Amino acid sequence: GAVVSQHPSRVICKSGTSVKIECRSLDFQATTMFWYRQFPKKSLMLMATSNEGSKATYEQGVEKDKFLINHASLTLSTLTVTSAHPEDSSFYICSARSQGGEVPGGNGYTFGSGTRLTVV
Amino acid sequence: AQKITQTQPGMFVQEKEAVTLDCTYDTSDPSYGLFWYKQPSSGEMIFLIYQGSYDQQNATEGRYSLNFQKARKSANLVISASQLGDSAMYFCAMREVTGGFKTIFGAGTRLFVKA
Repeated sequence: GAVVSQHPSRVICKSGTSVKIECRSLDFQATTMFWYRQFPKKSLMLMATSNEGSKATYEQGVEKDKFLINHASLTLSTLTVTSAHPEDSSFYICSARSQGGEVPGGNGYTFGSGTRLTVV
Repeated sequence: AQKITQTQPGMFVQEKEAVTLDCTYDTSDPSYGLFWYKQPSSGEMIFLIYQGSYDQQNATEGRYSLNFQKARKSANLVISASQLGDSAMYFCAMREVTGGFKTIFGAGTRLFVKA
């Protein structure tokens, strides 16, 4: 089935530094990838939609200069949290949609395993 | 506007019994998809079941079935013969076709399966 690899699974960084999270589709081409943030005890929040070769579309309230998204190829999207602060500590999850829209096991969507970011 | 509501923050079920997790939604798009995902304590999101707005029959996947009532805008998940491994957070989600395929999630329901 379709696999999305998200790396790292956990990261601790100092306040003021930047952190990059990678999301790779391993066995299919992902024209569209999504980045979500999950707050403690709350639901997932869509942060942005990235399309290969074009600028990401950010949801209202998400700072695009702080959360940089790059989707340079059909198999890789990255989320960079710039100048991280403790309030950025969260669980970040990516998902990928295949070019054909239908991949085994998810009806077009496959999620990464998430990244736990802790900013100290 | 798109909206997903899960009114049960937590649910308990006895092992081997069935349980229904509620989900209601609101959309003006005639074409949409409804999803259920499971998130165990490890954090990974696991796709469970999908229902398209034009599907005539309720979706089923093994022990999971989706009770789709379009007029009521509800898409409840039914888990039959609960297992201890079903203890997890469950999210209902909706994707509007005209919404660029982004997906919005409900607040989630924490399911506890008792032995």
